[in-house]
Amino acid sequence: ETGVTQSPTHLIKTRGQQVTLRCSSQSGHNTVSWYQQALGQGPQFIFQYYREEENGRGNFPPRFSGLQFPNYSSELNVNALELDDSALYLCASSLESMDPHPYFGPGTRLTVL
Amino acid sequence: QKEVEQNSGPLSVPEGAIASLNCTYSDRVSQSFFWYRQYSGKSPELIMSIYSNGDKEDGRFTAQLNKASQYVSLLIRDSQPSDSATYLCAVTPVGGYQKVTFGTGTKLQVIP
Repeated sequence: ETGVTQSPTHLIKTRGQQVTLRCSSQSGHNTVSWYQQALGQGPQFIFQYYREEENGRGNFPPRFSGLQFPNYSSELNVNALELDDSALYLCASSLESMDPHPYFGPGTRLTVL
Repeated sequence: QKEVEQNSGPLSVPEGAIASLNCTYSDRVSQSFFWYRQYSGKSPELIMSIYSNGDKEDGRFTAQLNKASQYVSLLIRDSQPSDSATYLCAVTPVGGYQKVTFGTGTKLQVIP
């Protein structure tokens, strides 16, 4: 059984640019959630996708958007990057939207200069 | 008040001792409770889950839940240097989508 994978592992962008992060869910999992973890903080919930539909969102502005594809892989898009967007972005997959056990991928470290 | 509160530490314990990590949460109707371990530069790894009041043991780890006091703890027996990491407490609400709310984590240092 393959785990959650994310790409790229590291990324450097400048303020105002746009970025796309990718995630492949664990085999058989149809729910994916994205989290942002700033240095020294716990992960913060961005949003969740279940069967290609967004079904929950945290306190993040609309410039954070996402997609889930029929094969349950997912993208996180961030427009108009700000310095405070620098963080570790974590993708987590689970079997159903009510599965309380999110399995995290290795994360993408985004640095905004 | 933060939804999930933890002492940031660091908590230093000698090798072989019991490490006690504590967490309080504000939403009385929280349903599921988790402890994640996160090594520096790595993603969080689930080590314990608990859903009902009382103790749950798994090897050297024991999770304790007291819903009346809105309190969750993690005990690590026979602490090893490899246990040195940040421990994140996390809770989920009743029903709806599974938004997992994390505390800021407690850094544990096990001194050889």
